[in-house]
Amino acid sequence: DQQVKQNSPSLSVQEGRISILNCDYTNSMFDYFLWYKKYPAEGPTFLISISSIKDKNEDGRFTVFLNKSAKHLSLHIVPSQPGDSAVYFCAASALRTGNQFYFGTGTSLTVIP
Amino acid sequence: AAGVIQSPRHLIKEKRETATLKCYPIPRHDTVYWYQQGPGQDPQFLISFYEKMQSDKGSIPDRFSAQQFSDYHSELNMSSLELGDSALYFCASSPEWGNEQFFGPGTRLTVL
Repeated sequence: DQQVKQNSPSLSVQEGRISILNCDYTNSMFDYFLWYKKYPAEGPTFLISISSIKDKNEDGRFTVFLNKSAKHLSLHIVPSQPGDSAVYFCAASALRTGNQFYFGTGTSLTVIP
Repeated sequence: AAGVIQSPRHLIKEKRETATLKCYPIPRHDTVYWYQQGPGQDPQFLISFYEKMQSDKGSIPDRFSAQQFSDYHSELNMSSLELGDSALYFCASSPEWGNEQFFGPGTRLTVL
């Protein structure tokens, strides 16, 4: 049972525009969320996180938004750069009950120069 | 900066053989996680250790076992290998329980 879902397997965006990657979850106990970026032949790299006490977290060009009522989070990248082309995973955990992270299936982002 | 080290990077085994994957966490990280990522799939959590003790168990087959040693490195032992065990195995470490995880480059296991 997939508790974290990324329904868009791929996304193409023009350089300089905004990239929006979406993630939905089913477990209302999740209280900590992460976004990872993964290049081919490398391990995932941590990008940004958000806890359930916040609805927005910003770090440079990356902003994560959390809508707890909709069980939805999104990652905004502004402006998008060709080097952002990678697979993006969202992950969620219920820190109150354990440290197991559940990953989505990933969205492959292509930023077109 | 030091990163998570995994060895070997590539491993080829035959069915019913055993394999041992090693993970060396970032210095002063006391939590280690193991994930399995099959082709075209998301990483699946296998097992985690905190301060050398198992802390969480995911979808790890009974044929697999893992431990964390006194120097905090961890080993994933896989026995009676099956074709379906062919995957990328990631190790991640974090500086404390519940914090973001830093991933290693992965070990690609191919079972023939």
